[in-house]
Amino acid sequence: AQTVTQSQPEMSVQEAETVTLSCTYDTSESNYYLFWYKQPPSRQMILVIRQEAYKQQNATENRFSVNFQKAAKSFSLKISDSQLGDTAMYFCAFMKRVFGNEKLTFGTGTRLTIIP
Amino acid sequence: EPEVTQTPSHQVTQMGQEVILRCVPISNHLYFYWYRQILGQKVEFLVSFYNNEISEKSEIFDDQFSVERPDGSNFTLKIRSTKLEDSAMYFCASSPLPGSGQPQHFGDGTRLSIL
Repeated sequence: AQTVTQSQPEMSVQEAETVTLSCTYDTSESNYYLFWYKQPPSRQMILVIRQEAYKQQNATENRFSVNFQKAAKSFSLKISDSQLGDTAMYFCAFMKRVFGNEKLTFGTGTRLTIIP
Repeated sequence: EPEVTQTPSHQVTQMGQEVILRCVPISNHLYFYWYRQILGQKVEFLVSFYNNEISEKSEIFDDQFSVERPDGSNFTLKIRSTKLEDSAMYFCASSPLPGSGQPQHFGDGTRLSIL
């Protein structure tokens, strides 16, 4: 079974600063996907970024980028130029690349607060 | 942008009653999921559904739970006899095609409160 660990329950950072959220995972699979989802106070789940494990290049989406270290099973999220709207719960999630067995396994989340 | 829609947004039910949570996945998506999130805890997988049958289910998804795609657009989760511990946020999600690794798109959730 897969496990996802987010060791930082809460973080806060000043607006416009850069923040990095940590995520490690444990799996025996070689092909999989990793995701970061954001859950603002409104409670909806919003996809932030996706990484394919077989790609060495780190994914980026505007101010969001990841540092994917496959050997270390580490998948951190970097938010640059943080904005007040980035305040949310952030969940790291793992998905096997197996047809019909594609549930998301989530970490416990990191509550990020951007301070004005 | 197409969205997954869930109704109702909040459901209050007496313990022991049946409840049906409804979801309309994105129209060209083929793979559907239910997750739940007990307040303050992580999101947990319940069940996945493809080609009119369950693909995978978790230990949480016991005989009290069932899913159905009754009319080709709705995807429902039924809890037959609710318990206090069923109180949670329930999220529906969909993705285009199994095996593609495409991200799952989530609805806004239904908050289920069992009294």
